[in-house]
Amino acid sequence: NAGVTQTPKFQVLKTGQSMTLQCAQDMNHEYMSWYRQDPGMGLRLIHYSVGAGITDQGEVPNGYNVSRSTTEDFPLRLLSAAPSQTSVYFCASSPTGAGANVLTFGAGSRLTVL
Amino acid sequence: SQELEQSPQSLIVQEGKNLTINCTSSKTLYGLYWYKQKYGEGLIFLMMLQKGGEEKSHEKITAKLDEKKQQSSLHITASQPSHAGIYLCGALPSSNTGKLIFGQGTTLQVKP
Repeated sequence: NAGVTQTPKFQVLKTGQSMTLQCAQDMNHEYMSWYRQDPGMGLRLIHYSVGAGITDQGEVPNGYNVSRSTTEDFPLRLLSAAPSQTSVYFCASSPTGAGANVLTFGAGSRLTVL
Repeated sequence: SQELEQSPQSLIVQEGKNLTINCTSSKTLYGLYWYKQKYGEGLIFLMMLQKGGEEKSHEKITAKLDEKKQQSSLHITASQPSHAGIYLCGALPSSNTGKLIFGQGTTLQVKP
């Protein structure tokens, strides 16, 4: 069981470039979310989804887009990267019901924007 | 918006010592979740607390949620180097599920 898979693990971008961070889970979880982790700030929620075709904004959504066309995939798009988006990004998923907030996290994607 | 404040921000303890990490909310919590992150890795779920006064233990780690459901503590007994990492508390800002908000984390170092 692969769990939550994030790609790429490392990425360097120039200001203004666009890219997509991929996230896939094989646990048939309905809930998926994206967080960014910055020193001293913990994890901040960017976007989340409660099922295919449904997405909503989190605490820091500006500069990021998401879509959820399938249950398995939840890509995060940076349309025009800025240095302030340098961070470690984590994708997470969870089932519905009693375990709805027991998140399974991916290993993270470290993004540097120059 | 709900905020979670963790204290201390960092902690260095000698192996074998006990320690406590606190997580305080500005609002009533609908659920409190503790996670651990090893350096350079993703987060691992530790424990979930939902009821006021609830206490759970796993091996040498005990988590408690106060009666008012605004403060939680994570206590490690007889710390070991394997306990080192970043501990984060997460909570639900409302009854909505799938949308956890996290504290800023507590970095724990255990000196052998």
